[in-house]
Amino acid sequence: DIQMTQSPSTLSASVGDRVTITCRASQSISSWLAWYQQKPGEAPKLLIYKASSVQSGVPSRFSGSGSGTEFTLTISSLQPDDFASYYCQQYNSFSTFGQGTKVEVK
Amino acid sequence: QVHLVQSGAEVKKPGASVKVSCKASGYTFTGYAINWVRQAPGQRPEWMGWINAGNGQTKYSQEFQGRVTITRDTYASTAYMELSSLRSEDTAVYYCAKSVWERSGWYYYDYWGQGTLVTVSS
Repeated sequence: DIQMTQSPSTLSASVGDRVTITCRASQSISSWLAWYQQKPGEAPKLLIYKASSVQSGVPSRFSGSGSGTEFTLTISSLQPDDFASYYCQQYNSFSTFGQGTKVEVK
Repeated sequence: QVHLVQSGAEVKKPGASVKVSCKASGYTFTGYAINWVRQAPGQRPEWMGWINAGNGQTKYSQEFQGRVTITRDTYASTAYMELSSLRSEDTAVYYCAKSVWERSGWYYYDYWGQGTLVTVSS
């Protein structure tokens, strides 16, 4: 099984900050990686697929990069609506998620 | 507009089975797969399996092999996930998700249902 590890687990930030979340795969997954945002009591929402493709309707402040085993999700200027948990998902072989990163108010 | 509407919360006793439905609208149901993903309280999402809504082909996670069955009714545009031999560790929110196939042979999930809480307790 491919294991996905995110860092950090919790991130404290302020509105306007540039935020970066990292996701590492236990083996190469090419670019088969997605990022989701989840708020309490809600279903995950797709932000990024194929490592760097932004889903339609997602604000341009969200971007993704990486390939192989290391990936990043960047929020260029954190907005109040962005305080949430973020998960990466590999879909190179089966489907596994990272443990999540909670972005909280500093 | 794509919508996936799931059935309501369930409370089950250990050893019982649960069947969750997922009614799709706003897209051609048979043109996409539906994946099922569960999330225990405070945990990461966990993939359970998928069904090709067109031809009915299924694939299940080894974690649930033998306990999970995913089916679909094309006339009702509805997918179903049944989990048997329930135990307390199966307490979780269960999600269905419309899925986009990629050249890797696997899926990412572009639309999700609202989730169904299944509580397993004696």
